[in-house]
Amino acid sequence: AQKITQTQPGMFVQEKEAVTLDCTYDTSDPSYGLFWYKQPSSGEMIFLIYQGSYDQQNATEGRYSLNFQKARKSANLVISASQLGDSAMYFCAMREATYTGANSKLTFGKGITLSVRP
Amino acid sequence: SQTIHQWPATLVQPVGSPLSLECTVEGTSNPNLYWYRQAAGRGLQLLFYSVGIGQISSEVPQNLSASRPQDRQFILSSKKLLLSDSGFYLCAWVPQGRGTGTEAFFGQGTRLTVV
Repeated sequence: AQKITQTQPGMFVQEKEAVTLDCTYDTSDPSYGLFWYKQPSSGEMIFLIYQGSYDQQNATEGRYSLNFQKARKSANLVISASQLGDSAMYFCAMREATYTGANSKLTFGKGITLSVRP
Repeated sequence: SQTIHQWPATLVQPVGSPLSLECTVEGTSNPNLYWYRQAAGRGLQLLFYSVGIGQISSEVPQNLSASRPQDRQFILSSKKLLLSDSGFYLCAWVPQGRGTGTEAFFGQGTRLTVV
């Protein structure tokens, strides 16, 4: 079964506006972590933000915030005041605590392409 | 500080030729190491992971193999490449035993084209 689902087609946003990138996940583990990564055209993976399953508050990192709705199993990334440099592919990922062996295995979604228009 | 090196950055290889991609981590010890492949429309697929020297786990049966001859060295290999092996390969590391809250740190990636 797919653990991380990112189904939005390519997203477009006007510069300086906010945009939400959707992510839903599937796990029966009560302890898990959710991550968002940015991948520009160069291919490097840039860590953006982390949300723990027990965290009471939504995570924020500068212009990035994570809209965590645990009951719905969604972890949407919100980018405020979009910039041209935000154009990239964005991946949602999850780590489950009880995974045996490599306890820090990350499972990724298919990604969403974001294009920021000037 | 910790750094991860992955090479080469790009590679064009003929079908049936061997492959060796290398990844090394500096500034840490006993990391968990990972090889991911990114194909168009499929996100990042975990290929192999390693929790220690000589310990390799495979996620997907395929034409590739991995080895960890030293603590901070992770090698992805193939004896005979297939066209379907083309893709973007990423090496990553995570500190051991840090629970769910530690992000993975990625290398710069290798873009492999099998022709």
